[in-house]
Amino acid sequence: EPEVTQTPSHQVTQMGQEVILRCVPISNHLYFYWYRQILGQKVEFLVSFYNNEISEKSEIFDDQFSVERPDGSNFTLKIRSTKLEDSAMYFCASKVAGPTDTQYFGPGTRLTVL
Amino acid sequence: GENVEQHPSTLSVQEGDSAVIKCTYSDSASNYFPWYKQELGKRPQLIIDIRSNVGEKKDQRIAVTLNKTAKHFSLHITETQPEDSAVYFCAATANTGFQKLVFGTGTRLLVSP
Repeated sequence: EPEVTQTPSHQVTQMGQEVILRCVPISNHLYFYWYRQILGQKVEFLVSFYNNEISEKSEIFDDQFSVERPDGSNFTLKIRSTKLEDSAMYFCASKVAGPTDTQYFGPGTRLTVL
Repeated sequence: GENVEQHPSTLSVQEGDSAVIKCTYSDSASNYFPWYKQELGKRPQLIIDIRSNVGEKKDQRIAVTLNKTAKHFSLHITETQPEDSAVYFCAATANTGFQKLVFGTGTRLLVSP
């Protein structure tokens, strides 16, 4: 069964550094999302992406964040200048198309900012 | 903005008992309500979902009910087993952002043998 994949599984970085988190959504999916989960808390929406553009972003998704679909398979989240509070698990998700289609989550990237 | 509340935050049951987790949502336009199970350090895994045109859905030991009028939905697990122990999140779609999911705060279910 196809799965969403993410790399790396764990990223450790120094405050102020740039990080790029990578995701490969399921191949026939058209809608892509990034969520994050601070340790012990709920999953929070960051951004949704469709047809090569952002459809919505949350308050968390400020100017330090960007997303890109550089080719037909990858979907990336970039944090330009990481802060301590960016430490969290970042999940990519994708779904086929319909408003009630299931969103499938990747295994996550644990980002630790020191 | 959209909000989903979930109760209880922790739930301890004996193996074989039933467990019920309840959620309420604020966005009357929400039309899709998934439940995810998350084991420690793992991704959220969909266990069951319900769409707004249905009041109840069952899959073996798991069932979900939806009351659109009251904006409530609930997860029911019967004959619980130790492997059911995990954190369970309810979610509801928002009417924006291509149906982004708004998650509840999670319920830590512990099933004791």
